[in-house]
Formats: sequence, C-alpha cells, structure tokens
Amino acid sequence: DIQLTQSPSFVSASVGDRVTITCRASHGINIYLAWYQQKPGKAPKLLIYGASTLESGVPSRFSGSGSGTEFTLTISSLQPEDSATYYCEQVNAHPLTFGGGTKVGIK
Amino acid sequence: QVQLQQWGAGLLKPSETLSLTCAVYGGSFTTYHWGWIRQPPGKGLEWIGEIIHSGTTNYNPSLKSRVIISLDTSKNQFSLNLSSVTAADTAVYYCARRYSYGYEDWFDPWGQGTLVTVSS
Repeated sequence: DIQLTQSPSFVSASVGDRVTITCRASHGINIYLAWYQQKPGKAPKLLIYGASTLESGVPSRFSGSGSGTEFTLTISSLQPEDSATYYCEQVNAHPLTFGGGTKVGIK
Repeated sequence: QVQLQQWGAGLLKPSETLSLTCAVYGGSFTTYHWGWIRQPPGKGLEWIGEIIHSGTTNYNPSLKSRVIISLDTSKNQFSLNLSSVTAADTAVYYCARRYSYGYEDWFDPWGQGTLVTVSS
C-alpha cells in the first residue's frame, strides 16, 4: 500500500497568514493526488486534483504543488472559514489511501 | 447537479452485517466509479472499495474478505455490505462518486454520511 504522511498534524495561524501543509508518499505517485477539506459533521469537499488543479468554485487562495513523493497544499491568506481538517489522497494505485489529516485552526 | 443520498441501519450488534445503500440523483450512472469511504470517530478516512459502472469491483485488501459492493442501474443505486462487523467497524460511512481519467481523479460529490455503531 502507498502510505501518505501529512505534516503538521495541527497548525494554528492568524487570519491573513500563509499556511502550508505537506503530504509525503511512500512511493512515487506522479501527480495522482487530490486534496480535500472537511469541516466537523460534514463530508469532505474536493479542493484540488492532479496535485495542482483547482476544482471549480474553490477560492484561488488555495493552491497545490508537487509530484512524485512530495506535495504541498498552500492557503495563501487564511480566512476564518478555512478552519477545517485537510486530507490528501493518492489515486495512483489501489488501495486508494488518505493522509492522516491536518487540522487548521484560527488564532 | 448530481446528489448522493444514503441510508441504512445505524446500530448493529457484533457479527451482524452492515448494509448501506446510496442513491444517485441528477446524473449519469455510466462513466464513473462508485465508492465507499469510512471514518471512525475522531479519525481519518479509509477507502473501503468501489464499483465501476460495468460491474467491476475493487476492494481494500484489509476488508476484502468481508465486503461486497453492488450496483442496481435500474434504480441508480449502489450498495455496501460488510459482514461480521465488530466494534472496530464503528464509523461514519460515506458513499461518493469517483471520476477517474488519467490524473483527473477525484471523489465528488459525497453522500451525507451515515454513522454506524457496532455495540452489544
């Protein structure tokens, strides 16, 4: 199985700050990676696919980059509504796997 | 606008079979994969498996011996059966549509989630 390791597991930042989340894959996955945002009690919401393609309707302050084994999700200017848990997911090979999640809080 | 609505029993006893159904509204059943993902309380996401419109299935090896995912194209529904449940199967279960074409691969939309609790 391809393991995805996210870091940090928790980050607290102020409104307007830049926040970066890292996702590392145990094997190379090209750009077969997606990012999701999940708020409490809700289903995950797709943010980015193909490592860097922004899903329609997602604010442009979200961006993704990387390929192979190292990926990042960046929120360029943190907003109160961005408080959530973020997950990466690899779709390179079965079984599909998710990272452990990064909880983003607002100071 | 495709919507997924899911339902099923929320409280099971150990050794019983979990059964959930997900209905697809407003979109085509073909072209896509139809999957199940679960999330134990306070924990991360785990892919359970999926079925392609052709009927081909893929399962997580960790659950494969207990899982069956099936499709009813006449009703635009797909279902999850997980047998011999234990407390470790307690989780919110989500159904989701997967689009898979090269690197364009994602789960969206998702169902609302169903909390399934296994307790004696």
